[in-house]
Amino acid sequence: EAGVAQSPRYKIIEKRQSVAFWCNPISGHATLYWYQQILGQGPKLLIQFQNNGVVDDSQLPKDRFSAERLKGVDSTLKIQPAKLEDSAVYLCASSSLRAQGRGANVLTFGAGSRLTVL
Amino acid sequence: DAKTTQPNSMESNEEEPVHLPCNHSTISGTDYIHWYRQLPSQGPEYVIHGLTSNVNNRMASLAIAEDRKSSTLIQHRATLRDAAVYYCILREAGNQFYFGTGTSLTVIP
Repeated sequence: EAGVAQSPRYKIIEKRQSVAFWCNPISGHATLYWYQQILGQGPKLLIQFQNNGVVDDSQLPKDRFSAERLKGVDSTLKIQPAKLEDSAVYLCASSSLRAQGRGANVLTFGAGSRLTVL
Repeated sequence: DAKTTQPNSMESNEEEPVHLPCNHSTISGTDYIHWYRQLPSQGPEYVIHGLTSNVNNRMASLAIAEDRKSSTLIQHRATLRDAAVYYCILREAGNQFYFGTGTSLTVIP
């Protein structure tokens, strides 16, 4: 099966500009996650969707970050305006809610989008 | 927030077994224990998961303590390609996965 697709792979912007990242999960995966990974740290969960509804966005800085998952398939994460501390890799992951099978409830990650804010 | 604690780093000699420990003393009865690893410049990849019983797959083995408050990821023969950051995570009832800082494994040739 095709993996989780993310774009762009790399983005360089100046502070106060805006940026958007796109994610297409594995076909049929109901749950989609966005993580932020700052250099040297573990991934931090920003938002979790189940189909097109938000399950958890408690760690999303809502004054500047927004995310949507229209039609319950692909998703977009937006940052506006960007700050220097937003420089990180933004990882998208998806998982299935199938009860059976070795893949049940296991995360599959994309390659990530690396953001540099100058 | 992450509910697991792991050593920051470990070393292993190539072709020797590696035991990576994880403590999760506040685990609830429905939390699954997941392990992921992250190779340099890549997204994390799934390694193994379990609930109560020990688990084996083609990548590794997972040993879970009887009280479930700790677990150990076992790689039977470390290779240079196993050098990565290994994350132990509790999958909570709402399917949330909170990562900690993980264990950076160095494999010595």
